Amino acid sequence: GQQLNQSPQSMFIQEGEDVSMNCTSSSIFNTWLWYKQEPGEGPVLLIALYKAGELTSNGRLTAQFGITRKDSFLNISASIPSDVGIYFCAGQDYGGSQGNLIFGKGTKLSVKP
Amino acid sequence: NAGVTQTPKFQVLKTGQSMTLQCAQDMNHNSMYWYRQDPGMGLRLIYYSASEGTTDKGEVPNGYNVSRLNKREFSLRLESAAPSQTSVYFCASRPGPTYEQYFGPGTRLTVT
Repeated sequence: GQQLNQSPQSMFIQEGEDVSMNCTSSSIFNTWLWYKQEPGEGPVLLIALYKAGELTSNGRLTAQFGITRKDSFLNISASIPSDVGIYFCAGQDYGGSQGNLIFGKGTKLSVKP
Repeated sequence: NAGVTQTPKFQVLKTGQSMTLQCAQDMNHNSMYWYRQDPGMGLRLIYYSASEGTTDKGEVPNGYNVSRLNKREFSLRLESAAPSQTSVYFCASRPGPTYEQYFGPGTRLTVT
């Protein structure tokens, strides 16, 4: 089935550094969502994007819905140790079952104090 | 609001045993979902319920059954557990008009 290509798979950064990750799809999406999952917990919704070109922030997190509708980006500024976790992108494509999301495989973020 | 709750949190089964994973949401959401999460595989949809009274297969439904008991509750049943069903299971719910899904804390299942 449809898959999202999420990169990088993992990142090891120093506290205070900025982080960038992205997701790409082979088809056009009408929704992009970004989730964070901490060890032993369920994914938590961070940001939702509904319009091509949309740029949305949530504290130090900023996400963008790509102009082509086939990609999305998540940036984290001035990382801190509690940013550790796995970040998932998810999307709804125009051809998919209404309301069903497609998930990327995640970017695992490690932050060194 | 508790959001999405799941029970049990951990479970160990022997091959061939059966069990039901419970999920409930108190957000009055119409749609509910069951996923499994395996290392390197991401989240894969098992079954979903677009609204009370309806259920549909997702990407990996084999070996599972579901029941949408009412608007709040959506259960997942393993009739004869297999080691390949060792995984972390997540329930999620979605309000009607948007695509945002809200997840429970998960059930960690081991089948020996």
